[in-house]
Amino acid sequence: EAGVTQFPSHSVIEKGQTVTLRCDPISGHDNLYWYRRVMGKEIKFLLHFVKESKQDESGMPNNRFLAERTGGTYSTLKVQPAELEDSGVYFCASSSTGYEQYFGPGTRLTVT
Amino acid sequence: KQEVTQIPAALSVPEGENLVLNCSFTDSAIYNLQWFRQDPGKGLTSLLLIQSSQREQTSGRLNASLDKSSGRSTLYIAASQPGDSATYLCAVRGGGFGNEKLTFGTGTRLTIIP
Repeated sequence: EAGVTQFPSHSVIEKGQTVTLRCDPISGHDNLYWYRRVMGKEIKFLLHFVKESKQDESGMPNNRFLAERTGGTYSTLKVQPAELEDSGVYFCASSSTGYEQYFGPGTRLTVT
Repeated sequence: KQEVTQIPAALSVPEGENLVLNCSFTDSAIYNLQWFRQDPGKGLTSLLLIQSSQREQTSGRLNASLDKSSGRSTLYIAASQPGDSATYLCAVRGGGFGNEKLTFGTGTRLTIIP
């Protein structure tokens, strides 16, 4: 069974540009989560999807971040426009029951 | 607001020694606690998950304990090996319906010296 996959593995963009990160959860997992780690700090929660609905988006930092999960399968996280402080590693996780979360390898975002 | 602390931030021990990693959290109303390992440039690998009603979980050379009332968990690694070198993260899931977000500590970077 394939694990959680994320694309791209690394993205370098200039301040003001737009970037879209993609996450493919484990097949059949209704729960999908986004987290990020910035500037050597702890990993922080961004939001939680149940199928295509946003269950909890309390961690989204501001309206420059837009997450979608059309059809309840893969999810995208768009940052528009990107700022320097958005640099970090963005992790996606999925879960079938919400009991245990399985993480992907992360996308390293560098904003210059 | 839940806060998770892991001490020490870094630890180096000779191969073969047993060691303990510590995790503390401020709000005891948790649903479960997970220990993860992260290798450089890689994702998070779940090691052990302890439900709030449990006291410990074991997997191979790893044993995790939970004392919810005091807000503490430990990860015990027996007979350490160089392959155990990694960053170990502790994360708690809060209680309450629909609250599935994990709150992470900053991790302990473990180096096993051959």
